Amino acid sequence: DQQVKQNSPSLSVQEGRISILNCDYTNSMFDYFLWYKKYPAEGPTFLISISSIKDKNEDGRFTVFLNKSAKHLSLHIVPSQPGDSAVYFCAATNYGGSQGNLIFGKGTKLSVKP
Amino acid sequence: DTGVSQDPRHKITKRGQNVTFRCDPISEHNRLYWYRQTLGQGPEFLTYFQNEAQLEKSRLLSDRFSAERPKGSFSTLEIQRTEQGDSAMYLCASSPPGVWGEQFFGPGTRLTVL
Repeated sequence: DQQVKQNSPSLSVQEGRISILNCDYTNSMFDYFLWYKKYPAEGPTFLISISSIKDKNEDGRFTVFLNKSAKHLSLHIVPSQPGDSAVYFCAATNYGGSQGNLIFGKGTKLSVKP
Repeated sequence: DTGVSQDPRHKITKRGQNVTFRCDPISEHNRLYWYRQTLGQGPEFLTYFQNEAQLEKSRLLSDRFSAERPKGSFSTLEIQRTEQGDSAMYLCASSPPGVWGEQFFGPGTRLTVL
């Protein structure tokens, strides 16, 4: 069973507009969430994270929102740039109970059109 | 370049052969992870080392898989008697002491089993 779900395989956005990538999780033990970005032929690169004690974390153009009651998080990118075109993975872990191994979703491919 | 490095980047082998991959983590990173990624999926956790100790193994890691991290530096992942289902991207990641969640990934080794 998939504990971290990214239900949109792809998303296309115009440059300058907002990109919203969504992620749902099923395991209530998850308490730390991360977003990674992956370009072709490269490994995933850490983007932003959020602890379950927060509902929002912002870093420049990137903001992650966490809704614990809905077991849902989202990544907002604004304004979107063509260089943001990549596959975005949502990941989760149990900070206290695990050794830090991450559970990933299947990814969403973002295309930002000039 | 002081990032995580993996060798080789690509490996093509025939079914039944043994293969070994190497990962060099970022210097001073005491935690090292192996993941496997197949097409259309996110990375899946395989195993985890803290220094030289292998502390966790996924049930995905069958008896044909073995990983080592002698002296707590580089790590090797060996697959014996490869099967076509082993074809995947094998990713290594490392993280420093005291930092949970954020992991630094290497570029991966793409294995193709014919």
